[in-house]
Parts: sequence; C-alpha cells; structure tokens
Amino acid sequence: GAVVSQHPSRVICKSGTSVKIECRSLDFQATTMFWYRQFPKQSLMLMATSNEGSKATYEQGVEKDKFLINHASLTLSTLTVTSAHPEDSSFYICSARDWGDSYNEQFFGPGTRLTVL
Amino acid sequence: RKEVEQDPGPFNVPEGATVAFNCTYSNSASQSFFWYRQDCRKEPKLLMSVYSSGNEDGRFTAQLNRASQYISLLIRDSKLSDSATYLCVVNKRVNNQGGKLIFGQGTELSVKP
Repeated sequence: GAVVSQHPSRVICKSGTSVKIECRSLDFQATTMFWYRQFPKQSLMLMATSNEGSKATYEQGVEKDKFLINHASLTLSTLTVTSAHPEDSSFYICSARDWGDSYNEQFFGPGTRLTVL
Repeated sequence: RKEVEQDPGPFNVPEGATVAFNCTYSNSASQSFFWYRQDCRKEPKLLMSVYSSGNEDGRFTAQLNRASQYISLLIRDSKLSDSATYLCVVNKRVNNQGGKLIFGQGTELSVKP
C-alpha cells in the first residue's frame, strides 16, 4: 500500500518557537494532502487541505497565519506551527491522496506529537 | 450537532464476543463511508470501506443505510488484538473535488481474556 512518512515523530519545544513538520508521500504522487490535529480522547479534526502549487484551504477556526502550510511538490507538504504555545500541544497527523485514485482513499502518516513547554 | 456521531463507549467485552458499533451522519451529501481503527498514540488505519449493499471482511461486517444516514460495524469472535478505538468516517465532497474526511469521535473497544 501507499506509504506516507512524517518527520519528526516527536518534538518538544519552548513556548514562542516555531516548529516545522514534514509530510511525504514515498511511493506515489499526492496532489492533495491533509493536516489533522488530535487532542487526547478526541477525534481527528481537519485543520487544512493542502493542494500542490496553490494555497491551502483552512477549516473554520484554524488560523492560517499561525499554521503555515506549504505544498511545493507532489510528494511533500510542510506544516509550520509559528510561535507555538502550550495549547498547541497535540498530535498532528497528515494524510495524502493519490493523484490517480478515483476512490479518493487517504493514506495517513504516523503522526507528530508536539509538546510545547 | 456533530456531523458524525458514534456510540461513546468504552465497550468492554470478553474474547469471543460479538460487538456492534453504530454511527450516524448528518450530511446527506456524504459520498463514501469508512471504518478506521486507531491504536493508542498511533495514526488511524483503514479497516474497511462501507458499501450500500453491506460488506464483509472476515470477522468484520459493515452496513450502510443511506435513508437513515446510519452506519454500523459488527465484529464477531472478538480477539484481544481487536482492542482499539474504532472511528466512523465519512467522505464529504467539496466543490467537485475529492472531498474531505469527517471523523467521528471514536468508540473505544477493550477485549478482555
């Protein structure tokens, strides 16, 4: 099956710093990638949809200036959490959709656990 | 009201039991339906898609009732390894594009020896 990687898997940072998370599709081209956030005991919440070569579409309530998304190639999307604060601590998961998949299945990365001190 | 709602759980069952999860969705424009499984501190993994005619994969049976906007998952002869959180997921089309996945909050299953 299709493989999606994320890096780093875990990050601990001080409040006020920025953190970049990478999401890569390893064996397929992904025109669309998705970024989710999951707080403890809650479900995945879609933050934004990232389309290669265009601006990301953010869900309601997600600050685009705080969560910067770049999707410069068909295999890489990045999420930068700017000026992170403790309330941004969460499990961030990306997914990617295969260019040629009409069924639109999404393949998930292993997630990045962010802890902001 | 949440777009996708599930039984809150947790479900605690003995090995070998049959367990059923229910899910309802509110958006009639939803197009495709899935059950995902998520283990603790891991990413969700696709368990099975759900088709209108109902479908089965080994011990797992999924049903979809579009009229009632209801989805179910039945697990027979449950195993210890089935312990996880089960997520009901709906794909909603957006602007003639592939759509986006809406996740239910999940139902936690714990299978005991």
